[in-house]
Amino acid sequence: NAGVTQTPKFRVLKTGQSMTLLCAQDMNHEYMYWYRQDPGMGLRLIHYSVGEGTTAKGEVPDGYNVSRLKKQNFLLGLESAAPSQTSVYFCASWTGGMTEAFFGQGTRLTVV
Amino acid sequence: GQQLNQSPQSMFIQEGEDVSMNCTSSSIFNTWLWYKQDPGEGPVLLIALYKAGELTSNGRLTAQFGITRKDSFLNISASIPSDVGIYFCAGQRAGGTSYGKLTFGQGTILTVHP
Repeated sequence: NAGVTQTPKFRVLKTGQSMTLLCAQDMNHEYMYWYRQDPGMGLRLIHYSVGEGTTAKGEVPDGYNVSRLKKQNFLLGLESAAPSQTSVYFCASWTGGMTEAFFGQGTRLTVV
Repeated sequence: GQQLNQSPQSMFIQEGEDVSMNCTSSSIFNTWLWYKQDPGEGPVLLIALYKAGELTSNGRLTAQFGITRKDSFLNISASIPSDVGIYFCAGQRAGGTSYGKLTFGQGTILTVHP
């Protein structure tokens, strides 16, 4: 049981490049989330999804797009990376109700 | 912006002391969660609260879901060096346009001196 898997774990991008971060969960969870973590800022919600085919904006959605074409995958895209997007990105999934949300190990992204 | 205010932002304590941190919100939450994050790792759940007024313990940790559903606190008793890390509160709202949204506080950085 892999839980929540994020790919890649590390990446360096040049300003203006694009990339996609993949989050995969094998727990059949309905809800999935993308957060970014910056020093002193905690975990800020970028986008989230309450089910296959649905997405919603979080607190800091600008510069990011997401897709949830399959229930088990939640993709986070950066169309034109900027240095301000240098951060550690965490994906989480949750079935809701009286259960816990599980996190991936994080993706450390540096934009130069 | 963020809807949860977590305090304190950091704490420096001696081993054996008790610790208390809390989260407040302008919105009502149906679920409060407390997580701990170690360096280089993702957050790991410590305690989950699902009902207003609920008081739940997990070893030396105790957390409560506020009666107003707008706040929660976490207590750690008799701290030990391995309690070092960042502690986060998180809340989820069940209804309205933010259905399913899981919001985190800014985190409390805990340092324990032996």
